[in-house]
Amino acid sequence: GAVVSQHPSWVICKSGTSVKIECRSLDFQATTMFWYRQFPKQSLMLMATSNEGSKATYEQGVEKDKFLINHASLTLSTLTVTSAHPEDSSFYICSAGLASSNTEAFFGQGTRLTVV
Amino acid sequence: QQQVKQSPQSLIVQKGGISIINCAYENTAFDYFPWYQQFPGKGPALLIAIRPDVSEKKEGRFTISFNKSAKQFSLHIMDSQPGDSATYFCAARGGGYQKVTFGIGTKLQVIP
Repeated sequence: GAVVSQHPSWVICKSGTSVKIECRSLDFQATTMFWYRQFPKQSLMLMATSNEGSKATYEQGVEKDKFLINHASLTLSTLTVTSAHPEDSSFYICSAGLASSNTEAFFGQGTRLTVV
Repeated sequence: QQQVKQSPQSLIVQKGGISIINCAYENTAFDYFPWYQQFPGKGPALLIAIRPDVSEKKEGRFTISFNKSAKQFSLHIMDSQPGDSATYFCAARGGGYQKVTFGIGTKLQVIP
C-alpha cells in the first residue's frame, strides 16, 4: 500500500511557541490531505482538508489562524500550531489520498505534541 | 451530531473467541465503510472495507457484515488472538470524497 510519513513523531514545545508538523506521501501524489486530531482514548476528529495549491477547508470550531495548513506540493502538507498552549497537546494525524477520489486514503503514523 | 455510532467502547474476549463490534450510520450518502486498527501511539491502519452493494466481506479472520436497509455494519474477528488487542474504528466515507467520518472506537483486549 501507499506510504504516508509524518514528521516528527513526537515533539515537546514551550507554551507560546509554534510547531510545524509535516505530512508526506512517499510514493504517490496526493491532491488532498486531511488533518485529524485525537485526544487520549477518543476518536479521530477531522480538523481540516488540505488541497494542493488552494486554501484549506476547516471544520467547524477549528481556528484557522491557530492551525495553519499549507499544501504546497502534491507530496507535502504541513500543519503549524501557532502560539501553542497546553490544551493543544494532542495526537495529530494526517491522511493522504490518490488523485482518484474513489480510492483509499492512507494514514501517517501520527505526531504526539506536548506543550509545556 | 455523531454520524457513525459504534459499540461497545470496550471489549474483552478470550483467546480463540469471536470479537464483534457494531456500527450504525445515518447519512445515506456514505458509500464506503472501512474498519481501522490502531495500536497505541500509532496512526490507524486500514483493516478491511466494504461497499454497500455487498452484504458480507471476508479477509482471513476478519469479516464485515453489512445491512444496508438497517444502516448497520459490523466487524467480526474470528479466533481472536492477543495480538489483535488494539482499538478498532469503524468509519464511513461518501460522495466519492475521501473525507472519513470515524466512530468513537472500541478498545479490544484479547486475554490468553
